[in-house]
Amino acid sequence: AQKVTQAQTEISVVEKEDVTLDCVYETRDTTYYLFWYKQPPSGELVFLIRRNSFDEQNEISGRYSWNFQKSTSSFNFTITASQVVDSAVYFCALSEAGQAGTALIFGKGTTLSVSS
Amino acid sequence: EAGVVQSPRYKIIEKKQPVAFWCNPISGHNTLYWYRQNLGQGPELLIRYENEEAVDDSQLPKDRFSAERLKGVDSTLKIQPAELGDSAVYLCASSHPLAPLHFGNGTRLTVT
Repeated sequence: AQKVTQAQTEISVVEKEDVTLDCVYETRDTTYYLFWYKQPPSGELVFLIRRNSFDEQNEISGRYSWNFQKSTSSFNFTITASQVVDSAVYFCALSEAGQAGTALIFGKGTTLSVSS
Repeated sequence: EAGVVQSPRYKIIEKKQPVAFWCNPISGHNTLYWYRQNLGQGPELLIRYENEEAVDDSQLPKDRFSAERLKGVDSTLKIQPAELGDSAVYLCASSHPLAPLHFGNGTRLTVT
């Protein structure tokens, strides 16, 4: 069965601190996709990144970076020099059957609070 | 491009009443999803459409929930009758094949 675990329920940091959000997944598929979404207070889920199971190369996009390690079934997300606008709930998600457009299985989310 | 549009934004009803949610996906997106998000939880899939066809409705409580996607564009999700436990945010999403999902702002349902 597929499962996504985000063990950190809430994280609070002060602006300019770096913060890492953890994500551990379970799947029997050899081909799958992993995602991160951001949900600000407005409620809309905003797509951040997609990674396929064959690409373990880490990725950096501005202040965001992602560390995908198949050996530990983890797909962690780091925000460098956090800002107040980063405050949101962040969800890690997994898509099964190797099709990125199929239904996503979400973790329970990590609430990030960045104070000034 | 315009995003996924959902209405209403908020809905408060008494238990045993019916309620309906509407979703207009991004133009050209053949796949449409309805998710339910309970407080403090991640979204959970209710139903997925490929054009007009419901291809995955295994998690839809069919005794009280129904959905339709006429002409493969807009979709409605209905609950009849609503129960207290149905209070949640109902999210609609759409996508191209093999592309990430785009979500709407959701409908926050409160059943009293």
